[in-house]
Amino acid sequence: QKEVEQNSGPLSVPEGAIASLNCTYSDRGSQSFFWYRQYSGKSPELIMFIYSNGDKEDGRFTAQLNKASQYVSLLIRDSQPSDSATYLCAVMAAGGNNRLAFGKGNQVVVIP
Amino acid sequence: EAGVVQSPRYKIIEKKQPVAFWCNPISGHNTLYWYLQNLGQGPELLIRYENEEAVDDSQLPKDRFSAERLKGVDSTLKIQPAELGDSAVYLCASSSGTVTYNEQFFGPGTRLTVL
Repeated sequence: QKEVEQNSGPLSVPEGAIASLNCTYSDRGSQSFFWYRQYSGKSPELIMFIYSNGDKEDGRFTAQLNKASQYVSLLIRDSQPSDSATYLCAVMAAGGNNRLAFGKGNQVVVIP
Repeated sequence: EAGVVQSPRYKIIEKKQPVAFWCNPISGHNTLYWYLQNLGQGPELLIRYENEEAVDDSQLPKDRFSAERLKGVDSTLKIQPAELGDSAVYLCASSSGTVTYNEQFFGPGTRLTVL
């Protein structure tokens, strides 16, 4: 089992709709969770991080964490064409070694 | 503030040749990471430095890969000899040890093609 799994294929959403991305992780002791956005041919950039169970909102982005189910999600409200990118889920293990394990990413295409 | 700088941006070599990548982290960032990213995959950590010390190199294929971070600032990643399977994007990232949530800032990457 991979440390971080993102299994959904490319997601196409109409402009203005909600895009929902999911991620599961295997290390129950993981403490910190991150969502990175990566435009084609560019490097990843951090858009959200979450530590505690529940929801965290930042503008049009909401991260949701459920440690009991080892599940992290990202919602993008009012999707814009500029949101078209690959979204990478990353998990930092417990123990303070600062090592991030990344999922393979989910591609989002927002259709005008 | 300047971001993470990497060079070269692109490199094409023939298999069995050596290649080196250079990274200059954000000023003041004591932690430096080298990642490998294959097409359609997330970044995979190769090595992490705290200042000049390699504190996590468990994923570095040491038979052909080597890295150094002299003086705890710039870093170089080397492959010798390169194999076809090494074709990928090599990303450098840095972070500040004082940031609680460990945001890693990535450089633009070096795209390596091995023929």
